[in-house]
Amino acid sequence: KQEVTQIPAALSVPEGENLVLNCSFTDSAIYNLQWFRQDPGKGLTSLLLIQSSQREQTSGRLNASLDKSSGRSTLYIAASQPGDSATYLCAVRPNSGGSNYKLTFGKGTLLTVNP
Amino acid sequence: DVKVTQSSRYLVKRTGEKVFLECVQDMDHENMFWYRQDPGLGLRLIYFSYDVKMKEKGDIPEGYSVSREKKERFSLILESASTNQTSMYLCATSHWNGYTFGSGTRLTVV
Repeated sequence: KQEVTQIPAALSVPEGENLVLNCSFTDSAIYNLQWFRQDPGKGLTSLLLIQSSQREQTSGRLNASLDKSSGRSTLYIAASQPGDSATYLCAVRPNSGGSNYKLTFGKGTLLTVNP
Repeated sequence: DVKVTQSSRYLVKRTGEKVFLECVQDMDHENMFWYRQDPGLGLRLIYFSYDVKMKEKGDIPEGYSVSREKKERFSLILESASTNQTSMYLCATSHWNGYTFGSGTRLTVV
């Protein structure tokens, strides 16, 4: 059974810092991995999607990497801003099987960027 | 961009009421999902639909049913609401570019 772990559970940084959020998964047979952002009381907003054949994806100040063989992904946020404060979730989609639609989510990292 | 719309942001219902949560997507996607999200438990899949009138149970289907009469609309039904169904409910679709979620419905059952 796939398990997804995100470390740390919470992170507080001063504005302007570069930071890395970690996501690890136990089964490397994944179709893709997706990073989401969730603001309090809101739905999930997709940030980046990495297909299993890709190593990284970039969008603005965000860069996500994927090392499928070691079961790890990182989300790098450059020059953090208070508006980046949110919970960040990673989710993996399995590669095959009858449940290949089903995402497995981590519990998230709560990021606070202090002005 | 794909848009997933959940009809209510906040709902308060009484125990025993029948509750309908509605979700509409605008991109003709086949796959639609209902999740609930609770502190400490994360997101859990309730039901999944891969086409009109087609559905599969997720991890926690007990106490819920679903309806998909049209491709764009996926409804979650609480037949008899209970306090342990107080939660954040999230609808999603999946497509070539990953999953897209709605803005969520915070349901409180009193």
